[in-house]
Amino acid sequence: EIVLTQSPGTLSLSPGERATLSCRASQSVSSSYLAWYQQKPGQAPRLLIYGASSRATGIPDRFSGSGSGTDFTLTISRLEPEDFAVYYCQQYGSSPFTFGGGTKVEIK
Amino acid sequence: QVQLQESGPGLVKPSETLSLTCTVSGGSISSYYWSWIRQPPGKGLEWIGYIYYSGSTNYNPSLKSRVTISVDTSKNQFSLKLSSVTAADTAVYYCARGSGYCTNGVCTMGFDPWGQGTLVTVSS
Repeated sequence: EIVLTQSPGTLSLSPGERATLSCRASQSVSSSYLAWYQQKPGQAPRLLIYGASSRATGIPDRFSGSGSGTDFTLTISRLEPEDFAVYYCQQYGSSPFTFGGGTKVEIK
Repeated sequence: QVQLQESGPGLVKPSETLSLTCTVSGGSISSYYWSWIRQPPGKGLEWIGYIYYSGSTNYNPSLKSRVTISVDTSKNQFSLKLSSVTAADTAVYYCARGSGYCTNGVCTMGFDPWGQGTLVTVSS
């Protein structure tokens, strides 16, 4: 099983600032099948990024993903008020599919 | 656009079987992989397993002995059964679709869309 470790656990930032979230895998993620999801309280996760760097339909270009192998990054270039949420990475290339523990982006 | 909706009892007694159904609307259940994912209150996400519209399945080894996922293409639904539940199975249960080009359960574009989720509490 591939274990995904996200850091930091909490990121305290102000609107307009840049957010950098990390996801590290215990072994190489097959074909960069790495996704990022955003989850707000009481809502289902929403797909932001798939294939490590491709934005899902309708996702603003302030969200970008990068990385390969075992190290992946989600960057939010300028935080908007609606971006404060919990973010999860997921690998879906090797069963069992696994999620990271999440990074909470909170308002400073 | 495709929408998913979970349904089922919100309260299940310990040692009994949890049963949920996911109804797919706005599109066909055929030619896709469909997953169940759960999230205990205040915690992270756990993939439970998937089913292909043809009926083939793959389960998380951590739950495999207790999980059954089935599909009813005539109703555009798939279902989850989790047996011998305990308080540790209390969670919001989500259904989701594997997106993109899929081979042997691996889909190129992650899980999208998701249902809104349903809270199942295990308690006597």
